[in-house]
Amino acid sequence: SQTIHQWPATLVQPVGSPLSLECTVEGTSNPNLYWYRQAAGRGLQLLFYSVGIGQISSEVPQNLSASRPQDRQFILSSKKLLLSDSGFYLCAWQGDSSYNEQFFGPGTRLTVL
Amino acid sequence: GDSVTQMEGPVTLSEEAFLTINCTYTATGYPSLFWYVQYPGEGLQLLLKATKADDKGSNKGFEATYRKETTSFHLEKGSVQVSDSAVYFCALDSGGYQKVTFGTGTKLQVIP
Repeated sequence: SQTIHQWPATLVQPVGSPLSLECTVEGTSNPNLYWYRQAAGRGLQLLFYSVGIGQISSEVPQNLSASRPQDRQFILSSKKLLLSDSGFYLCAWQGDSSYNEQFFGPGTRLTVL
Repeated sequence: GDSVTQMEGPVTLSEEAFLTINCTYTATGYPSLFWYVQYPGEGLQLLLKATKADDKGSNKGFEATYRKETTSFHLEKGSVQVSDSAVYFCALDSGGYQKVTFGTGTKLQVIP
């Protein structure tokens, strides 16, 4: 069966520090991968998605970036965090067939102070 | 483009009350429709789905019917429990690069 991992689970970082969040998927190949952010009390904001290794599409311009160095690995990064980067970050995967649901990881709670 | 509109929350109900969370959508073609649930501090879990008109998705006592004529996918449960307290997201996938469009979520609070 497929599983999706995210780490760390929680993170507290000072403003201006770098960020690296990792997401890995097991039990499937060539998944579509997604990064979402959920600000407190708000809905999901799609940040990036990837349909293959090295292929990244950005949905919202910001100081975050994403990379996909391996088929089942998706990394969210920042060189300098802002206060507004605080939130709950969710990684998700979807099979490469049409009309499939997305499966979500447990999330990373990021607090920027 | 695709969009999903959900009723604003929070929705507060007493245990064993009837639940309806409204969801309407706009999309090109014939999308698949989903309801996800998010318990506090966790990721989203798929609750139910429907892939074509008049399909009824159901799971854990929750139901939703894909109504193409009214472009709706309302979530219902006959008798809610305290453990159903969570945020519920309506979503659609109209194909292409498989980007799922989510509603803003509706928080449900069930009180004993």
